[in-house]
Amino acid sequence: AQKITQTQPGMFVQEKEAVTLDCTYDTSDQSYGLFWYKQPSSGEMIFLIYQGSYDEQNATEGRYSLNFQKARKSANLVISASQLGDSAMYFCAMRERGNTPLVFGKGTRLSVIA
Amino acid sequence: DAGVIQSPRHEVTEMGQEVTLRCKPISGHDYLFWYRQTMMRGLELLIYFNNNVPIDDSGMPEDRFSAKMPNASFSTLKIQPSEPRDSAVYFCASGHSPSTDTQYFGPGTRLTVL
Repeated sequence: AQKITQTQPGMFVQEKEAVTLDCTYDTSDQSYGLFWYKQPSSGEMIFLIYQGSYDEQNATEGRYSLNFQKARKSANLVISASQLGDSAMYFCAMRERGNTPLVFGKGTRLSVIA
Repeated sequence: DAGVIQSPRHEVTEMGQEVTLRCKPISGHDYLFWYRQTMMRGLELLIYFNNNVPIDDSGMPEDRFSAKMPNASFSTLKIQPSEPRDSAVYFCASGHSPSTDTQYFGPGTRLTVL
């Protein structure tokens, strides 16, 4: 079974609009972390935002926020006021039980349209 | 602050040749991860180290792959002999346990085996 599911292979959003990228996860652990990374066409993996399973508040980092719904096991990324530079692949990932490796979803390709 | 450093950034080689990829983690990080990214399989873990000791190498595809971490500031991933199916982007990432959960990625090495 997939640990991380990203159901949207591709998304389009108008510049300055908000967009939500979906991520659902599967774990039986009580302690885990959820991450979002951005991979632009240049190829590097850029860390965006982190949510711990015990965090009561949704994580926010500038224009990025994480809509964490623990009971639904979802960790959607919300990008507000989209910019052309946000066009990239976005990966959701999960870490279980301490600093074990990340398990990644297949990614969502976001295209921001002027 | 210097991030994770990888070299070379690009490598083109012929089938049967030995390939060595190098990584310098962020100073002070005690975890180091090697990931591989392909279109077919996405991002997958190959091996990871904690305090220079290999912890899990179950993701290493076969005996042609080997990884070492002789000290806290250097790791290598070697493929010998290389095959066309090894063509991929290889990422090194490092993290610090336990207080910081984020893993930071290097820029990757794009390997092409002809």
